[in-house]
Amino acid sequence: ETGVTQTPRHLVMGMTNKKSLKCEQHLGHNAMYWYKQSAKKPLELMFVYSLEERVENNSVPSRFSPECPNSSHLFLHLHTLQPEDSALYLCASSQAGGHGNTIYFGEGSWLTVV
Amino acid sequence: GENVEQHPSTLSVQEGDSAVIKCTYSDSASNYFPWYKQELGKRPQLIIDIRSNVGEKKDQRIAVTLNKTAKHFSLHITETQPEDSAVYFCAAPNSGGGADGLTFGKGTHLIIQP
Repeated sequence: ETGVTQTPRHLVMGMTNKKSLKCEQHLGHNAMYWYKQSAKKPLELMFVYSLEERVENNSVPSRFSPECPNSSHLFLHLHTLQPEDSALYLCASSQAGGHGNTIYFGEGSWLTVV
Repeated sequence: GENVEQHPSTLSVQEGDSAVIKCTYSDSASNYFPWYKQELGKRPQLIIDIRSNVGEKKDQRIAVTLNKTAKHFSLHITETQPEDSAVYFCAAPNSGGGADGLTFGKGTHLIIQP
């Protein structure tokens, strides 16, 4: 199943590094999401892009910066992260239009901050 | 925004027995309630969903029931098998202006004992 693909699958970065996570969806959807999955908060919504506009960011720290250049691609730019940011970052997509649309997840990017 | 509570956090059942996982939600306008299954090291995947115009939906060994008055919904798995062992998440639509995406419960780790 390759509907939503994420790269890299694993990433180790120092606290002073800058890196980016990439997501691409091949499902013809027009809404994309970043979720953070950790032991403390299993599926925590970070960002929502609907029709390429950011509509929600849930008070995520500014060291996480999303970018959605078009409806098929989503990036998460990372800089000066903290060890507690180590987690699985899941990208997802759906049809836009409010309630009731199934979201489909990518395989995730495992991030370790050292 | 929407608030989803899920119980129990861990559920252990004997193979062949039934398992029930329960969720409550806060936004009475929510109208779509999916359940996701996440196997170890894999992405969450949709297994069944229900919309607010029905009270129950079945798909082979799994079923979901919805009580809109009480704002709760449940996942029922009958004749459990080892491959049912996984983490299960309930979800409801994000609220607040009809924003896209889902708010998830904290997950239930289902363990099937041989």
